[in-house]
Order: sequence, then C-alpha cells, then structure tokens
Amino acid sequence: AQTVTQSQPEMSVQEAETVTLSCTYDTSESDYYLFWYKQPPSRQMILVIRQEAYKQQNATENRFSVNFQKAAKSFSLKISDSQLGDAAMYFCAYRASWGKLQFGAGTQVVVTP
Amino acid sequence: DVKVTQSSRYLVKRTGEKVFLECVQDMDHENMFWYRQDPGLGLRLIYFSYDVKMKEKGDIPEGYSVSREKKERFSLILESASTNQTSMYLCASSSPSMGYNEQFFGPGTRLTVL
Repeated sequence: AQTVTQSQPEMSVQEAETVTLSCTYDTSESDYYLFWYKQPPSRQMILVIRQEAYKQQNATENRFSVNFQKAAKSFSLKISDSQLGDAAMYFCAYRASWGKLQFGAGTQVVVTP
Repeated sequence: DVKVTQSSRYLVKRTGEKVFLECVQDMDHENMFWYRQDPGLGLRLIYFSYDVKMKEKGDIPEGYSVSREKKERFSLILESASTNQTSMYLCASSSPSMGYNEQFFGPGTRLTVL
C-alpha cells in the first residue's frame, strides 16, 4: 500500500519570505503522479502543482516550485515570496498511473505580516 | 471552469437518521469520488464511481453507501448516522481524457451528528 507522509503539522512564514513543505511517499511503482493541493479557509481544494514521476525536471507554477527526488521518494513544495493569501492547509497527494489519490495529513501554513 | 457543487455547506443530524449528501458536477466527468476529511488524517476515500450505476469501495466504506443514477450526480448515504461520522465530506470529479486525470473538488459539507 502507498502512504504519503507530511511530517510538519504547521509551518509559519513571514510575508515575502520562503517556506518549504516536506512530503515523502512510499511506493513500488515507477510511473505515478504527485500533487500539492491547497485548502484555504473557504475549504475549496485547489490544485497548486503536479509532477509526473517520469519527468526529471521539477515543476514550477509562478511562486510555487517542487523539489522532486525520485530515489529518495521525496516531493517538497517551496513557496517563494509568501503572501497572506497563501495561508492555507496544504496537502501532498500521490497517485499511481492507474490508481486512486492518496493524501498526506496536511501542513497548515501560517503567513505573518 | 469545472464546477463541483455540494448540496449543503453545513448539516446537523441526529444519531440514527438517514443522511443524504449530494454532489453534482457540470463537466461530464466519468469519475466521481467521496472523501472524508479529519484533522491529522488528511482526506480518506470512502467510495468512488467510474460510470453511471458503477461504484467501488474506497479505504473507509463502512457505514456508507453511494448512488450514481446520472452521470453528473453522485450521492453519499449514511444509512444510520452515528457520532463518529461527524466530519467534513468532500466530493470530487475527474476525467481520464482530461490532462492528468486530476480531481476537481467541491466546497465540502461539514456534517455534525448529535
């Protein structure tokens, strides 16, 4: 069974600073997808960024980037130039090419002015 | 944009009541999902459906059932609600023919069972 671990229940960052959220996963598959979802207080889950396992290049979406280390089964999210609107719960998720999404427990990001 | 709607944002029910949570998506997605979200546990899959009238158990199906009579609608049913089913319930939909088969979520229903 695949598991996704987010070891940081909460992370605090000042506006304009950078924060990195960690995520590790366990799998025996070689082909899979990884995702970071954001859930703000409105509760609407929003896809932030995705990474295909076969791609060596790390995905980037504006201020959000990932560090994908396939051998280490690590998938961290970096938020640069943090903004108040980045405050939310962030979930790491894994999906095998044929399978279901498996979520981590989430990391609460607090942004301070 | 894909829109997934859920019938209620907040719901309060009594123990033993039959509870229906409704989810509707407007993008003709084949796949629909029901998750339960609890603090410290993330999202856990209850049931999913790959097509009309088809359903598959997820990781925590006990105490729940589902119905998918139309492609756009996926209902979660609590036959006899219990206090341990107090939680946030999220619906999602996806299509294998779209991009990465990514899931689009509804706004969630916070259910309290008294």
